[in-house]
Amino acid sequence: QVQVVQSGAEVKRPGASVKVSCKASGYTFTSSYFHWVRQAPGQGLEWMGIIDPRSGRTTYAQKFQDRVTMTTDTSTGTVYMELSSLTSEDTAVYFCPRDLGEGAAAAFYFDFWGQGTRVTVSS
Amino acid sequence: DIVMTQSPESLAVSLGERATINCKSSQSVLYSSNNRNFLAWYQQKPGQPPKLLIYWASTRESGVPDRFSGSGSGTDFTLTISSLQAEDVAVYYCQQYYSTPITFGQGTRLETK
Repeated sequence: QVQVVQSGAEVKRPGASVKVSCKASGYTFTSSYFHWVRQAPGQGLEWMGIIDPRSGRTTYAQKFQDRVTMTTDTSTGTVYMELSSLTSEDTAVYFCPRDLGEGAAAAFYFDFWGQGTRVTVSS
Repeated sequence: DIVMTQSPESLAVSLGERATINCKSSQSVLYSSNNRNFLAWYQQKPGQPPKLLIYWASTRESGVPDRFSGSGSGTDFTLTISSLQAEDVAVYYCQQYYSTPITFGQGTRLETK
């Protein structure tokens, strides 16, 4: 069955970068897009961007355009999200949900989610 | 960006009773060429990722109980739970996927009365 497993919790200093991984299994990795969504403590959901595992093509939310890099490793079925210049406002749980679209087009809504990776930014 | 506004922010309903959550978008999410509303609903329980309930505003995801239903079009949408069960206690989010950035409502916390 489909599984999406994320890397473990991270604690970072302000100004540092964090790289979160998301390993998918149980289906053809390149057949579905992945997104990154974050959730600050006690807050709602915020979309960060999307990556096509086949091509590596990305679309980022403008808010994160200058600080986020999403990549993919098709050999291991893993997508990565790196966020730089961290501040306390980046403290959140980061999720990598799979896009529900089929074929070449993304649907922009999500079926399988990773368990979440807690990133804490603190001096 | 499309702003999604949910109401109420919290809701207490007795077990077996109907629960209704509203979601309003700042602009229409109805795509005229295919007459589909680009609107999804998710359920999130504490310590868990969100779970997809409804997409295209009214299509129930596989495995979701039929007590969950979605309705609405254009800018106004509703998630209805016809008979609240204890396991339905959660926060519910609407999401528009009509345009990027994808945006979510602020969430509605559903509790039992």
